Amino acid sequence: GQQLNQSPQSMFIQEGEDVSMNCTSSSIFNTWLWYKQDPGEGPVLLIALYKAGELTSNGRLTAQFGITRKDSFLNISASIPSDVGIYFCAGFTSGTYKYIFGTGTRLKVLA
Amino acid sequence: DTAVSQTPKYLVTQMENDKSIKCEQNLGHDTMYWYKQDSKKFLKIMFSYNNKELIINETVPNRFSPKSPDKAHLNLHINSLELGDSAVYFCASSQDRRPGQTYEQYFGPGTRLTVT
Repeated sequence: GQQLNQSPQSMFIQEGEDVSMNCTSSSIFNTWLWYKQDPGEGPVLLIALYKAGELTSNGRLTAQFGITRKDSFLNISASIPSDVGIYFCAGFTSGTYKYIFGTGTRLKVLA
Repeated sequence: DTAVSQTPKYLVTQMENDKSIKCEQNLGHDTMYWYKQDSKKFLKIMFSYNNKELIINETVPNRFSPKSPDKAHLNLHINSLELGDSAVYFCASSQDRRPGQTYEQYFGPGTRLTVT
């Protein structure tokens, strides 16, 4: 099945650093979602984006809906150890009932 | 209150057995899903039900049979289990977008299935 490409696949960063990751698609979506999955848990919704160019924040997290509607970006500022986990993007087009997920970015924070 | 719940959390069984996983959502959503997450953590959609009707079936073997008795429940029955069925299965739900609502999708905690 279709999957979105996320970059980077994994990253180690120092506590306090800012983190950037992105998600790209060959298809256009009208909704982008970002999730975080902790070990042994289900993905938890972080941010939802509905409009091309939209920039939305949730605490230290900021996500953007790319203007081409084929990509999205997630930034985490001043990372802390509990930011560790896998971050997934997902794209959705109304009427399809299908969320297409990215391959995930595995984040590890070094204290 | 848990929004999307699944039971059991862990399921260990032998090959060729039949097992079921149950899912319930209390969000009032119209659409429910089953996903399979493999060892590489890729999330793959298996099925989607909207108002109790099957709308997505992603070429899943017919040993897998979802059942939606009502909008709040979507169960997954698996016949004749195989080693390759070992994975984490997630239930999720979402709401068709209407004024004041969103396309946000929410996941359950997952069921780790191990077939020996």
